[in-house]
Amino acid sequence: DADVTQTPRNRITKTGKRIMLECSQTKGHDRMYWYRQDPGLGLRLIYYSFDVKDINKGEISDGYSVSRQAQAKFSLSLESAIPNQTALYFCATSDSTGVAGYTFGSGTRLTVV
Amino acid sequence: GQNIDQPTEMTATEGAIVQINCTYQTSGFNGLFWYQQHAGEAPTFLSYNVLDGLEEKGRFSSFLSRSKGYSYLLLKELQMKDSASYLCAVKPNSGYALNFGKGTSLLVTP
Repeated sequence: DADVTQTPRNRITKTGKRIMLECSQTKGHDRMYWYRQDPGLGLRLIYYSFDVKDINKGEISDGYSVSRQAQAKFSLSLESAIPNQTALYFCATSDSTGVAGYTFGSGTRLTVV
Repeated sequence: GQNIDQPTEMTATEGAIVQINCTYQTSGFNGLFWYQQHAGEAPTFLSYNVLDGLEEKGRFSSFLSRSKGYSYLLLKELQMKDSASYLCAVKPNSGYALNFGKGTSLLVTP
């Protein structure tokens, strides 16, 4: 099994729909992150969490919300999806030192039509 | 905040050496990472530098100069499978997440 699992892998949804992307990890890491990736724009931080009771906004949090249900689970929600939220979404984890870098999930390709 | 610059695209020949540069401006610095990302896949960790100097790991080496806000990734003996995007990421002071550059798309040609 993968260390960081994202579901679904691919999703097409309609404008205005609420959608949740899920992420779970078996690394035992406290820190979890959500990024989106768009061509030419690189990876941009949406939200991050350093433990179950800690939630922080990233540079592009508008239109998104998150829930840290447990140390191993961190979900991202789009309350009312819009077409410019079409992107590749990555969940990642790291230990508290951060020196080993991130372990990324395989990504969720989301298309909003 | 952080400003991280990398070339958008590079092309190199199989068997050659290529250097991918990354410059950054930051209000806090606690290390720099390089990741490799093949199209449609997750980024994978290549290297981490926190002190000035060169870190060598097989065909890949990474260099950091903190005073100049500069790093490079050196790939030797290029192989076709090295065609990928290479992401430079800066770790701010503790308590913050990684900031990524936009990535450099490397094409290795026969």
